Amino acid sequence: GENVEQHPSTLSVQEGDSAVIKCTYSDSASNYFPWYKQELGKRPQLIIDIRSNVGEKKDQRIAVTLNKTAKHFSLHITETQPEDSAVYFCAASWVGQFYFGTGTSLTVIP
Amino acid sequence: DAGVIQSPRHEVTEMGQEVTLRCKPISGHDYLFWYRQTMMRGLELLIYFNNNVPIDDSGMPEDRFSAKMPNASFSTLKIQPSEPRDSAVYFCASSPIGGTEAFFGQGTRLTVV
Repeated sequence: GENVEQHPSTLSVQEGDSAVIKCTYSDSASNYFPWYKQELGKRPQLIIDIRSNVGEKKDQRIAVTLNKTAKHFSLHITETQPEDSAVYFCAASWVGQFYFGTGTSLTVIP
Repeated sequence: DAGVIQSPRHEVTEMGQEVTLRCKPISGHDYLFWYRQTMMRGLELLIYFNNNVPIDDSGMPEDRFSAKMPNASFSTLKIQPSEPRDSAVYFCASSPIGGTEAFFGQGTRLTVV
């Protein structure tokens, strides 16, 4: 199956700074790349996604970039706020399979 | 729709007992996934179904684990016999078609003592 690697596993930033999380995948057939945010004790929830025919997508302070040739994609959060503190998961999907990275615990320091 | 519904929310059982986790996907969703979440291994895909048919169960850790989907609105994940290392949060998720957002249930926190 698909192998998704995610880095870093933990990330601390000052409020207002940017945060970047990177993922790589192995299966070139993957064509859908969502990012999920999981707050403590809650379920993972989608925050942004991108498809393989798009190189970049932005939604307010959140952006995702995809390099299909290199099989890597990244999440960028600008002007971070304390409420951005959570665990973030990337995933790669094709048809039905849906594989997640190991997660990044982001802490935004006020 | 109430979203993906899992039961129970918490389960504490003794080693060796049978455990059954339940999931009701969002109506109309063709795909159903079972995940296990631990600190060490993150979100592991155990098995997924398409139109009630198991497609890939390569993530099921051992024969002690089994999953069924008898109809479009119900799935179970069974562990028999349970062991302490099975302690984790188990999530069920569903998506309408392949390659689209997966919606997660609230999860079942399983503790095997």
